[in-house]
Amino acid sequence: AQSVTQLGSHVSVSEGALVLLRCNYSSSVPPYLFWYVQYPNQGLQLLLKYTTGATLVKGINGFEAEFKKSETSFHLTKPSAHMSDAAEYFCAVSRGWAGTALIFGKGTTLSVSS
Amino acid sequence: DTAVSQTPKYLVTQMGNDKSIKCEQNLGHDTMYWYKQDSKKFLKIMFSYNNKELIINETVPNRFSPKSPDKAHLNLHINSLELGDSAVYFCASSQGSGGGNSPLHFGNGTRLTVT
Repeated sequence: AQSVTQLGSHVSVSEGALVLLRCNYSSSVPPYLFWYVQYPNQGLQLLLKYTTGATLVKGINGFEAEFKKSETSFHLTKPSAHMSDAAEYFCAVSRGWAGTALIFGKGTTLSVSS
Repeated sequence: DTAVSQTPKYLVTQMGNDKSIKCEQNLGHDTMYWYKQDSKKFLKIMFSYNNKELIINETVPNRFSPKSPDKAHLNLHINSLELGDSAVYFCASSQGSGGGNSPLHFGNGTRLTVT
């Protein structure tokens, strides 16, 4: 069965610092992996996704994630945090076949201080 | 221009009442979903429809009944509301028959408060 674990329910960084949000997955088949962002009182917005091919995936707002099969990880990074990056971030894995839904991690709250 | 729209945005009601949440998507997607986000922000799939056919029905009380009149609409009716139903309910849609590499597009959620 597929699952994701997000390490750290809350991450705090200073503006301009590196952002690193951790996600490890468990999957019996090659996974499809996603990162979503949720701003207060809004729905989830897709940041990026990994399906096949290049393991370093670039997304919106300067975020990127690297798929590492050997480590079963899909960590999200951004070189320099902005105040506007403060939000809830969710890692998700697809069960990989038709008629299934994304399975989400428990989320990581990112706080950015000036 | 809204891709996935839900109404109402807020819903406050008393225990025992019946309420409905409506969802519409204009993306031309074939698959729609209902997710529940609890107070700890955990997201859990409830239902999914593909072309008006129910394809996912997770362990959800029978008081919850989804209905899809066409592939652009997915409504959620809840009978005999309980305190534990308080949560944010998200509608989402995706291309194809779901799963795989199709990302979900989410509505802005309906915050249900049962008093």
